[in-house]
Amino acid sequence: QKEVEQDPGPLSVPEGAIVSLNCTYSNSAFQYFMWYRQYSRKGPELLMYTYSSGNKEDGRFTAQVDKSSKYISLFIRDSQPSDSATYLCAMSYGNNRLAFGKGNQVVVIP
Amino acid sequence: GAVVSQHPSRVICKSGTSVKIECRSLDFQATTMFWYRQFPKQSLMLMATSNEGSKATYEQGVEKDKFLINHASLTLSTLTVTSAHPEDSSFYICSGTGYSGNTIYFGEGSWLTVV
Repeated sequence: QKEVEQDPGPLSVPEGAIVSLNCTYSNSAFQYFMWYRQYSRKGPELLMYTYSSGNKEDGRFTAQVDKSSKYISLFIRDSQPSDSATYLCAMSYGNNRLAFGKGNQVVVIP
Repeated sequence: GAVVSQHPSRVICKSGTSVKIECRSLDFQATTMFWYRQFPKQSLMLMATSNEGSKATYEQGVEKDKFLINHASLTLSTLTVTSAHPEDSSFYICSGTGYSGNTIYFGEGSWLTVV
């Protein structure tokens, strides 16, 4: 499996703050880039999906991909307590096989 | 949206026994299903890919004789952990894609504890 680096350190932010998450990778073969949200003891839920460098917005979420630097980011604006979860970056390396990062546990404090 | 149902959500089995986990696609035909394993504080790791009616393709380091995968229909894939050992205790998650292959739907996962 291809390696994806995601600093798993927990992140606590006050409600309304911007949450910034990122992943790096080394393999140029990754084709698609995704962010999943996973609540405790549940399966991951797809948040964002991109395949090209640049920004993609969906409501309060912005996904950013920089293929030249092999770096992807997820920003959550106006964070809410309901955003508290683990966020996983994932990358597709062909035939829909995914390599995941370790995930960031995010806690939004009311 | 599409739903993938996984059963059981939790299972405890004795060391040396086998346990089967089912993954069903409820409102789409899953031409390809994937099985992942997630140890605590670790990332989801792909174990194998299965196409309906074909033998599963296993990732490097995954024992195909220990983790038996069957994908006999477009709505059902099963993972059987044979001769389970405590180190097999983990969170197992399936996912599936349909004919378009554009979206991957994940199940809710199954917690396996081997005692």
